Amino acid sequence: KNEVEQSPQNLTAQEGEFITINCSYSVGISALHWLQQHPGGGIVSLFMLSSGKKKHGRLIATINIQEKHSSLHITASHPRDSAVYICAVSLSGGGADGLTFGKGTHLIIQP
Amino acid sequence: DTAVSQTPKYLVTQMGNDKSIKCEQNLGHDTMYWYKQDSKKFLKIMFSYNNKELIINETVPNRFSPKSPDKAHLNLHINSLELGDSAVYFCASSHFPDIAKETQYFGPGTRLLVL
Repeated sequence: KNEVEQSPQNLTAQEGEFITINCSYSVGISALHWLQQHPGGGIVSLFMLSSGKKKHGRLIATINIQEKHSSLHITASHPRDSAVYICAVSLSGGGADGLTFGKGTHLIIQP
Repeated sequence: DTAVSQTPKYLVTQMGNDKSIKCEQNLGHDTMYWYKQDSKKFLKIMFSYNNKELIINETVPNRFSPKSPDKAHLNLHINSLELGDSAVYFCASSHFPDIAKETQYFGPGTRLLVL
């Protein structure tokens, strides 16, 4: 079992819909990251959070440390949001161990 | 200005060859990483390195070796390439000291195809 589980694996929605992607983890973490991988392959860090909630434009990320769960929300979705969204964690006490990744959620927003 | 750059972007080579992928960051970060993304798009840490410590994922074959001439560069050298090494390799960097709580910046990736 992967230490980081995401759902759904694939999601297709219509433009304007509210999108939620979930991430659960089974290990102690220092921080949780949401990354976006564009169709061209590049990876961009969207959020890093260790508690509460962060918002950037139409993107909102929340984390519940007790429940070991995070969600990424996209409001008023647009076709340009189509990408793979990856949840990743920095392990507690991991120092420079790098990130542990979920398998990603492939999001397609149709016009 | 590119923050984290990798060369080459594409690398096609024969089995058994030795190749290197270069990574440079101009962010002044102290820690750099190499990640491998397999054919199923799953990312996994290979190495992380700062100027004092190299951490190697134990699943990485010893044919792979990171080399850091200075803290702005972390190159990946691969000996005796195998078909299974075909993947996209991403370099990333972040700031020391609280690495676990720092945003990582990714390079554009190097797509390696071993024939």
